[in-house]
Order: sequence, then structure tokens, then C-alpha cells
Amino acid sequence: QVHLVESGGGVVQPGKSLRLSCAASGFRFNNFGMHWVRQAPGKGLEWVAVISYDGSNTNYGDSVKGRFTISRDNSKNTLYLDMTSLRGEDTAVYYCAKDRGYCSSTSCFWRGHFDYWGQGSLVAVSS
Amino acid sequence: DIVMTQSPDSLAVSLGERATINCKSSQSVLYSSNNKNSLAWYQQKPGQPPKLLIYWASTRESGVPDRFSGSGSGTEFTLTISSLQAEDVAVYYCQQYSKTPLTFGGGTKVEIK
Repeated sequence: QVHLVESGGGVVQPGKSLRLSCAASGFRFNNFGMHWVRQAPGKGLEWVAVISYDGSNTNYGDSVKGRFTISRDNSKNTLYLDMTSLRGEDTAVYYCAKDRGYCSSTSCFWRGHFDYWGQGSLVAVSS
Repeated sequence: DIVMTQSPDSLAVSLGERATINCKSSQSVLYSSNNKNSLAWYQQKPGQPPKLLIYWASTRESGVPDRFSGSGSGTEFTLTISSLQAEDVAVYYCQQYSKTPLTFGGGTKVEIK
């Protein structure tokens, strides 16, 4: 059974940094791309970032590019999101999500849609 | 960026009746390698994370009831709930995965009339 558990959220002042973690279990973590998706209070979903199965490739949404860094430790089955220069508009529930990707005989590929989600971690940026 | 536009913003449907949600993309999301549309639908109930219902525009995720169906191609897509049940009250989102940045529609809230 797939489980994704986010942690590290909280209240942080504008301009400060925060690291989110997502502990994964129940599947072969090192075979799948992983994403962060966020949802501001009462609003819709916004894709934040993706990382390939081996960490060699990353991609970011325009609103976080240059400020956020996605990474993973496959030995710990853990996904991370390092957030710097935080702004009020970054206030949201942050979900980690597993990509519904696939593997060939030589490599694995992410598709860009999400078959499992964590329960989310709230980040509130406020002075 | 590909802009996803959903309609309506909300709808109220009687139990057992059909609910139809529309999603339009600002450009085609057709994936030429497999001739499928890179379009997914999610259901989000209050206080819960989203749940994948449909991918490749019309492929139902395992375990999703068959009253949920997806259709469409190119830039126009539809999610249909053939016979609305009480447990289907939720917000529904479409999402394109043709190009990064991955983008979602604004959501459609489905309620019981």
C-alpha cells in the first residue's frame, strides 16, 4: 500500500527558508518521478516541481523557479522541497505526489499525472 | 504555458442524474507518440488530497466506479458522472501533462440539488 507522508511545514516569516520532506513507502521509490503540488487556502491546485526517478532531472513552475529546489534521497525513500525567499503567496498546503510513470529496460520516465498523493503539509508565510 | 479552463464553476445535480464538466485547453494536448491526449481528471473532497479518476482523457484509474467517464480530444474534454451519488460531492479538476509547466483547471464544485 502506497503511503506518502509530508512533514516540515509551519509558520515562517517572509524572506525566510523552509524544508519540506515526504517519506514514501509501499512502492519502489527509485523507479518513479515525484512531484510537489500546492494549494493555497480555498483555491485550486498549482504544480510546483518534478524530479526524475534518479534525481538527474528537475523542472519547476514559473512562480517558484530560482527560489525552490526539489531533491530526493533514494536510499531513504524521501523527497524534499527546499524553499527560500518565501513570500505571502507561497502560503499553501504542499502535497507530494507520485508520478504514474513507467520504466523501460534501461530507464524510467515520468508522465506528469499523479496516482498517489500525501495528506499535505501547511506552510504559512506571515510576519 | 497551457491554460486550462473549466466550466461551469459549480453545478447542482439531483441524485441519480447526470453531471457533466467541461475542460478546454489553450492548445492541443495530443501526445503524438501514442496518439492519446495528455489530460487527467481528479476528484477532491473537503479536507482530503486529490484523487486520480481518469488519465489519457478516457482511461479510468483502477478502482474508480464506472459511472465516471472521460471523453474528448485535442483541446476540449468532458468528465461525466452518469448517475450522481451522494459520495460524489467534491471539486473536480482537469490537468494537462502535455508540456511543463503542468497546469490545472480552476475546478468545478459538484453539489446535490
